[in-house]
Amino acid sequence: DIQMTQSPSSLSASVGDRVTITCQASEDIKKYVNWYQQKPGKAPKLLIYVVSNLQTGVPSRFSGSGSGTDFTLTISSLQPEDIATYYCQQYNDFPYTFGQGTKLEIK
Amino acid sequence: QITLKESGPTLVKPTQTLTLTCNFSGFSLTTGGVAVGWIRQPPGKALEWLANIYWDDDKRYSPSLKSRLTVTRDTSKNQVVLTMTDMDPGDTGTYYCAHRPCSGDNCYFDYWGQGTLVTVSS
Repeated sequence: DIQMTQSPSSLSASVGDRVTITCQASEDIKKYVNWYQQKPGKAPKLLIYVVSNLQTGVPSRFSGSGSGTDFTLTISSLQPEDIATYYCQQYNDFPYTFGQGTKLEIK
Repeated sequence: QITLKESGPTLVKPTQTLTLTCNFSGFSLTTGGVAVGWIRQPPGKALEWLANIYWDDDKRYSPSLKSRLTVTRDTSKNQVVLTMTDMDPGDTGTYYCAHRPCSGDNCYFDYWGQGTLVTVSS
């Protein structure tokens, strides 16, 4: 299975900060990575697909980048409503695998 | 508007078989490139993909659970059913179904059900 390792596991930042979450795949997954946001008690929500494509309705402060094994989710200016856990997911090969999650909190 | 909703028992005993139903609307599971996936999440833990069922009735399963999982569809009812045999307390968690379109190489879970919490306990 392809392992997706996210860092950090948790992060505390202030409103307005630039936040970066990284995801490292255990092998080359080319561009086949998606990012999800999950708020407590809710289903995950698709944020970004295929590295850098913003899902409809997602604020432009979210962006994604990377290729191969290293990928990044960036929030350009953290807002209070961004408090959530974020997951990367690869679909280059079966089984699909998710990262362990990054819990984002407001400082 | 695409919606999905999971239903099934909230409590199952160890060794029993779990059957979950995903009722969906707003799309057809016969449209090329479309799949419905099942993903679960133990309390306080990460997401785990379980299975996909495709527009052409192909199925893919997580290798670690393949011997215990079966996914079927009823296109006339817009339903997908997941069965998991030999349930164990370690299978406790929230089970989600999700819509998975593919456009070329672009594949993702874009609509999710609300999830259903399944507890495995005697």
